[in-house]
Amino acid sequence: SAVISQKPSRDICQRGTSLTIQCQVDSQVTMMFWYRQQPGQSLTLIATANQGSEATYESGFVIDKFPISRPNLTFSTLTVSNMSPEDSSIYLCSFRDTGRTEAFFGQGTRLTVV
Amino acid sequence: QKEVEQNSGPLSVPEGAIASLNCTYSDRVSQSFFWYRQYSGKSPELIMSIYSNGDKEDGRFTAQLNKASQYVSLLIRDSQPSDSATYLCAVIPNFNKFYFGSGTKLNVKP
Repeated sequence: SAVISQKPSRDICQRGTSLTIQCQVDSQVTMMFWYRQQPGQSLTLIATANQGSEATYESGFVIDKFPISRPNLTFSTLTVSNMSPEDSSIYLCSFRDTGRTEAFFGQGTRLTVV
Repeated sequence: QKEVEQNSGPLSVPEGAIASLNCTYSDRVSQSFFWYRQYSGKSPELIMSIYSNGDKEDGRFTAQLNKASQYVSLLIRDSQPSDSATYLCAVIPNFNKFYFGSGTKLNVKP
């Protein structure tokens, strides 16, 4: 399957600032997703990143807080805006190869907001 | 009711034993089922997918699916300490987004 690279792997940020997380896949993929995983918990889908159009957000997540870009079929970014300590979490990007149902994950970004 | 339910564990088994992990799901139209393994501090990695009723074997892993009863299980034979991780069950209803369970933590004791 395709190889996915996510960065940064971790960051410590001041409250009120923003962090942009990048996800690069080494081949074109149909679907890309962004998840959040809080300590000891499962994955919560933030949004589906749609190529060339606005992302589709899940209930409880809004574009102003988590703007997402997907300029092409290999790259996406998630920005965590105006951060507070409650945003401290692991953020994961994920993709599905074209024509396949399995999802694969990036290495994750461990975010700590102080 | 959660879409996917798993016992959080921890499930402790001795080395060499069979570990049995279970998952139930609520959406009857679900077509695709997956097991992911997640080591502490790492991202989930896919270990098994299953789409039809019955068993699917891959090395020491066997996935079992029963759509009538809406459960999917994962058996790990000859468990090794390196199998100690959290196992996430995931379900896709109708090729849409994934629903993940909360995960079962497995401890394999040497």
